[in-house]
Amino acid sequence: DTAVSQTPKYLVTQMGNDKSIKCEQNLGHDTMYWYKQDSKKFLKIMFSYNNKELIINETVPNRFSPKSPDKAHLNLHINSLELGDSAVYFCASSQEWAVYGYTFGSGTRLTVV
Amino acid sequence: QQQVKQSPQSLIVQKGGISIINCAYENTAFDYFPWYQQFPGKGPALLIAIRPDVSEKKEGRFTISFNKSAKQFSLHIMDSQPGDSATYFCAATDQTGANNLFFGTGTRLTVIP
Repeated sequence: DTAVSQTPKYLVTQMGNDKSIKCEQNLGHDTMYWYKQDSKKFLKIMFSYNNKELIINETVPNRFSPKSPDKAHLNLHINSLELGDSAVYFCASSQEWAVYGYTFGSGTRLTVV
Repeated sequence: QQQVKQSPQSLIVQKGGISIINCAYENTAFDYFPWYQQFPGKGPALLIAIRPDVSEKKEGRFTISFNKSAKQFSLHIMDSQPGDSATYFCAATDQTGANNLFFGTGTRLTVIP
């Protein structure tokens, strides 16, 4: 009965590959997010999405793209992976844009070799 | 550009002592200030939050002190326990648009027995 679940938990891949990280929430939330946590633990917003609007952090390379098949899922696709993409990626969700209701998943550690 | 500045980067406290983590911000439009606690291998979890209409909020051993004029807020952990050892993040948002949370850089707290 995990609230926000991400798969896989660990992902090791070679440079240039394309990979996806899946995220599902069973909280009935309307809004989902992707955050990137680098090696220094800094958390940075990548995308915010609800069924009406996608907001992209302008610093995110266009190799990253969110895909939402339905309200409970927001997957992250990454094309042409680079060494600098290595990080922990967190999915989160909230009711509408209510930040006080943020619930994070356990993260996906991506290592690009 | 770091929207929220956090210090110290790491903190070691004896069991039973008081842990204090400080944050500062510049954006006067920010009106919600949560603290998140992150254990290794887990996603951040909401610990306590405050709005600028109050100067202090207490929940159990955790207290937020807020100084609107100085644009600073801090987390105090009273009677610190080894189980409190984690990384703590302050955050802020203005709850407009996508209501993205802007995180501080994190403080790794270690409580020694």
